[in-house]
Amino acid sequence: GESVGLHLPTLSVQEGDNSIINCAYSNSASDYFIWYKQESGKGPQFIIDIRSNMDKRQGQRVTVLLNKTVKHLSLQIAATQPGDSAVYFCAETANFNKFYFGSGTKLNVKP
Amino acid sequence: DTGVSQNPRHKITKRGQNVTFRCDPISEHNRLYWYRQTLGQGPEFLTYFQNEAQLEKSRLLSDRFSAERPKGSFSTLEIQRTEQGDSAMYLCASSPGTGQTEEQFFGPGTRLTVL
Repeated sequence: GESVGLHLPTLSVQEGDNSIINCAYSNSASDYFIWYKQESGKGPQFIIDIRSNMDKRQGQRVTVLLNKTVKHLSLQIAATQPGDSAVYFCAETANFNKFYFGSGTKLNVKP
Repeated sequence: DTGVSQNPRHKITKRGQNVTFRCDPISEHNRLYWYRQTLGQGPEFLTYFQNEAQLEKSRLLSDRFSAERPKGSFSTLEIQRTEQGDSAMYLCASSPGTGQTEEQFFGPGTRLTVL
């Protein structure tokens, strides 16, 4: 079947470990950021978002950290599960009219 | 199912033919986006609608591409005189547009193959 993860950087973790996926964004004017998960053959699925007036936001098993100084975004997944295996994209926008997606990271969870 | 739907799911066409894709967003979502995605890449923004108004269009979108959202509900993306380089997954997404969150809900995409 089709894979969205070809030629992407890959992060391999053991089931139960924590995962950290990083993203560098380019536009210093961006004020809203989203992390998406994409499984093969499916559209991206929203995970968590963060506005630029925050530096940390937590969800269920996920945490997003934003460092505006170095234009860096990270996604932390606690107790990674096999179902977390997918490609993860960060996206940024400055005005909600255009969203720019990063190139993605493939997460491979080993049982 | 109240998610975003796209039709067709797959389209195979010959170079030079015109194709049209349809996106049905989540009901009452004001914002609708079209993206293109190729293997190993993130989605690439094509165009954006706020209700029926097309407010942004990527400069990557040639004159062969046109999108409409005539009644502020479903949208169509047409590609005229298709080229092999148009082969990609075309994704549609919608969001509430209320300002509280801009979570975009994506459809399953339309896979276009131009022979």
